[in-house]
Amino acid sequence: NAGVTQTPKFQVLKTGQSMTLQCAQDMNHEYMSWYRQDPGMGLRLIHYSVGAGITDQGEVPNGYNVSRSTTEDFPLRLLSAAPSQTSVYFCASSQSSGTEGETQYFGPGTRLLVL
Amino acid sequence: GQQVMQIPQYQHVQEGEDFTTYCNSSTTLSNIQWYKQRPGGHPVFLIQLVKSGEVKKQKRLTFQFGEAKKNSSLHITATQTTDVGTYFCAGVPSQKLVFGQGTRLTINP
Repeated sequence: NAGVTQTPKFQVLKTGQSMTLQCAQDMNHEYMSWYRQDPGMGLRLIHYSVGAGITDQGEVPNGYNVSRSTTEDFPLRLLSAAPSQTSVYFCASSQSSGTEGETQYFGPGTRLLVL
Repeated sequence: GQQVMQIPQYQHVQEGEDFTTYCNSSTTLSNIQWYKQRPGGHPVFLIQLVKSGEVKKQKRLTFQFGEAKKNSSLHITATQTTDVGTYFCAGVPSQKLVFGQGTRLTINP
């Protein structure tokens, strides 16, 4: 199993550009989520999905869109990038919602710089 | 806002010294998880605590869950350079898994 994969590893954008961060998992996990990591802020939940066709907002959803058309994939879209979105983005998956202590498996991360 | 607080934010120790990070919640947690993130890496699950007052050990690492299930700690005895990284706790104060801000451990060899 590859686990959780993310692409790209690094990305530089100009303000206003759009892009999609890809995330895929091959563990047949129902729950997938996106976090951003900023210095001193820990891991903040952006969006999450409890299964195909179902998504919901996390703590910091503004400026991001998600969709979950398949169990395996959970892309994160930035429609109009802003410098405040410069961050490291992690995708994670687990057997279920994580509220019962299921282990979260993280991808390697995408480092995004918005100029 | 952040519902799971973690202190300290940074800790620098000499190799061989002990290290402790603390995690606190204003509400009762059903369980607490701990993760380690090596520099440049991604968070990796270490352990989960479920029971009130639970203590678990992994070699030099000792994890505790408070009696009231509102706080937890991770203690590393005699740190080694391989312990360098950021340690996160994570709990469910209200329906969603929330991560603490993390404690970044650096070690002087």
